[in-house]
Amino acid sequence: DGGITQSPKYLFRKEGQNVTLSCEQNLNHDAMYWYRQDPGQGLRLIYYSQIVNDFQKGDIAEGYSVSREKKESFPLTVTSAQKNPTAFYLCASRTSGRNEQFFGPGTRLTVL
Amino acid sequence: QQQVKQSPQSLIVQKGGISIINCAYENTAFDYFPWYQQFPGKGPALLIAIRPDVSEKKEGRFTISFNKSAKQFSLHIMDSQPGDSATYFCAASLPEGFQKLVFGTGTRLLVSP
Repeated sequence: DGGITQSPKYLFRKEGQNVTLSCEQNLNHDAMYWYRQDPGQGLRLIYYSQIVNDFQKGDIAEGYSVSREKKESFPLTVTSAQKNPTAFYLCASRTSGRNEQFFGPGTRLTVL
Repeated sequence: QQQVKQSPQSLIVQKGGISIINCAYENTAFDYFPWYQQFPGKGPALLIAIRPDVSEKKEGRFTISFNKSAKQFSLHIMDSQPGDSATYFCAASLPEGFQKLVFGTGTRLLVSP
């Protein structure tokens, strides 16, 4: 099956811990994105990557880090510097030359 | 200028009725306007999209109406069904390389049986 997978589905973090969210796609898409979704708000862009080994900050990158070592993988690390990390995190991807972004199923992160 | 304003925040429609969700934008450089449907606990799914050179696009029961001069676009769901109950997001993007999407705040639609 082609698509975008995110793991884990649910993640619990203690304050002061770093956690890494996984995003994998087998669509051969070049661009990948991380969004954060909070209740009553639209999706906000955290980081994006257009090609391997290159990524750019989005609107709310503080407290987050990413890597893009492989075309199909774009993991997001939520660091202890992120003051309010409880949210629903969504990964998306897009092929070059097309506008359509396709989303994964999401990871819900809760800070205990 | 990068905002997309979406209304209403919530909507209740009877089965068989028409659901209408509206979005407005300021930046005339936006050139791609998608609508996403999201069920609770799931990722958004691309529903339908339009470009500003087209005034209307229809796919099944879903229609986007686009008013370039008013800088507004809307989603119409004809013959609304209980299975359409979800949150709908409009978005817009600029003609830049990385295609950043600016999202509206969402509309929670409930279709009553």
